[in-house]
Amino acid sequence: EAGVTQFPSHSVIEKGQTVTLRCDPISGHDNLYWYRRVMGKEIKFLLHFVKESKQDESGMPNNRFLAERTGGTYSTLKVQPAELEDSGVYFCASSQDGRSWGYTFGSGTRLTVV
Amino acid sequence: AQSVTQLGSHVSVSEGALVLLRCNYSSSVPPYLFWYVQYPNQGLQLLLKYTTGATLVKGINGFEAEFKKSETSFHLTKPSAHMSDAAEYFCAVTQGGGGGNKLTFGTGTQLKVEL
Repeated sequence: EAGVTQFPSHSVIEKGQTVTLRCDPISGHDNLYWYRRVMGKEIKFLLHFVKESKQDESGMPNNRFLAERTGGTYSTLKVQPAELEDSGVYFCASSQDGRSWGYTFGSGTRLTVV
Repeated sequence: AQSVTQLGSHVSVSEGALVLLRCNYSSSVPPYLFWYVQYPNQGLQLLLKYTTGATLVKGINGFEAEFKKSETSFHLTKPSAHMSDAAEYFCAVTQGGGGGNKLTFGTGTQLKVEL
């Protein structure tokens, strides 16, 4: 089965610009998660979708971040406008039954804001 | 609230030597514990997990970890390091009992294996 796919793998943008990250979960996985790792720090939870609904968005840092999952398939995470502190690696994961030990992670998108 | 502490952001071992990566956790409820590995340019891969039952957990690539409730630890070990083990390792915790599905990670330990 295909894994979790994220793209782009790398993105370099200027402060103030907009960037959209995309995640394609494993087919049939209703649960989709976004995590972020800022340089040198821990990987932090951003939000959790169940199908197209946001189950938990407690980790979203501020309103410059917008996550969507239209139709319950792929998800996008938009950062607008990007700030320097948004730089990091953004991971997506999916699972079929919502239990954390069933996660499959993507390889991440490395975002650099200059 | 949950938290994870990984002692040592960088660990270096010789090939063939014991690997020991330390993880201590804090959780107000019975935890589920995980070790993930990230190889260069790849995603996070689950090495092993503890949910319930036997406290010594075996994972892939010869790694194992022991859940010690009294010490709130879940250290990762491998008897003999191989060059291919060089990667970054993350310890993570979530609530047990199926009530939680959000992972709390440690800051990671970069493992270097030298000849």
